[in-house]
Amino acid sequence: SQQGEEDPQALSIQEGENATMNCSYKTSINNLQWYRQNSGRGLVHLILIRSNEREKHSGRLRVTLDTSKKSSSLLITASRAADTASYFCATDPGGSNYKLTFGKGTLLTVNP
Amino acid sequence: DADVTQTPRNRITKTGKRIMLECSQTKGHDRMYWYRQDPGLGLRLIYYSFDVKDINKGEISDGYSVSRQAQAKFSLSLESAIPNQTALYFCATSETSGSPYEQFFGPGTRLTVL
Repeated sequence: SQQGEEDPQALSIQEGENATMNCSYKTSINNLQWYRQNSGRGLVHLILIRSNEREKHSGRLRVTLDTSKKSSSLLITASRAADTASYFCATDPGGSNYKLTFGKGTLLTVNP
Repeated sequence: DADVTQTPRNRITKTGKRIMLECSQTKGHDRMYWYRQDPGLGLRLIYYSFDVKDINKGEISDGYSVSRQAQAKFSLSLESAIPNQTALYFCATSETSGSPYEQFFGPGTRLTVL
């Protein structure tokens, strides 16, 4: 069963605009990760935020985490056509039995 | 060369056939995973292996089996393929030491079962 659920399922914006995607999850986590998938290709890790962190930046990416609400958001600033992809959040419960649980993803389309 | 490779990249097979998907990695990671991706369902874990002697079922292991031939190789088999196993299959790896750790994905195998 999916742990993370992304919202919205699809998002279409113009180049230069900001894109925000949200992820909600159900159980406690050790960390939450965001991945990008270009059409039909393998997922690529973007950023990881630990449960004791509230915000993290990497280039044009900004991730927030609110453990009290069990939610995270991914902000992509100044979007480019090359950012067109599906974005997935993945939760890691921690412990020795490490495995990620992925959400269903948000399809982002950035129009030139 | 890619760190995580999958063969074949595309495969069309018939119902009832046995098929093997192979994954190799040069990252030196102990942990390897097999996922399937269906439209609108995200990624679901089929099997995972934390070392050559440690193999575990994921959430959707029925109809699949795996073999960890070496640290670098992890194969997924469909003993008798059925049409609802048509999907995109991904292999991934991650480190063992330290925490937390990201996963590194292969390019995927698109499998069609007729």
